[in-house]
Amino acid sequence: QVQLVESGGGLVKPGGSLRLSCAASGFTFSDYYMSWIRQAPGKGLEWVSYISSSGSTIYYADSVKGRFTISRDNAKNSLYLQMNSLRAEDTAVYYCARAKANLDYWGQGTLVTVSS
Amino acid sequence: SYELTQPSSVSVSPGQTARITCSGDVLAKKYARWFQQKPGQAPVLVIYKDSERPSGIPERFSGSSSGTTVTLTISGAQVEDEADYYCYSAADNNRGVFGGGTKLTVL
Repeated sequence: QVQLVESGGGLVKPGGSLRLSCAASGFTFSDYYMSWIRQAPGKGLEWVSYISSSGSTIYYADSVKGRFTISRDNAKNSLYLQMNSLRAEDTAVYYCARAKANLDYWGQGTLVTVSS
Repeated sequence: SYELTQPSSVSVSPGQTARITCSGDVLAKKYARWFQQKPGQAPVLVIYKDSERPSGIPERFSGSSSGTTVTLTISGAQVEDEADYYCYSAADNNRGVFGGGTKLTVL
């Protein structure tokens, strides 16, 4: 069965960095686009970024462009999100999801808290 | 524009039909998806490509599209359908966009 497991969240100070990981299993990871979506506490879902199956096509939300970098390692069945220059407004649960449009499977999320 | 607008809340009694709308210019050109999210859980895809239902999703969930508005319909809503529902689409600029979410109350 398809499984997506995020890790790497935690408490970080404003201006700091964090790297999130998403371990995929149960499907051919290298065949699929992958996405990151976040949800601030008590708020709605916000699309963050997606990456094509080969990694050659990448898009970001304007709110994170220039600060976040999405990447993947198909040999390790893993998706990553490098987050730099973190701000309080980046505090959220970060989910990885399979595909870029249908988002048919999601992980359980990892909480990132940006606070001094 | 790349915004998707949903009502903040919808309320129905058990067994009634719940309809949740999502409006946005992009929906005239792009498919919509609908996600159900219960408290403390990850979202679950309930409708894709405007009206397709993934395997395992009850038949009472259906989707439709007309112009710049898509609608999620839950026929005979159950108490367990109480959740937040989000529409989602890919915009012209290749970014993803979610609606603000609708809290469905069934009681």
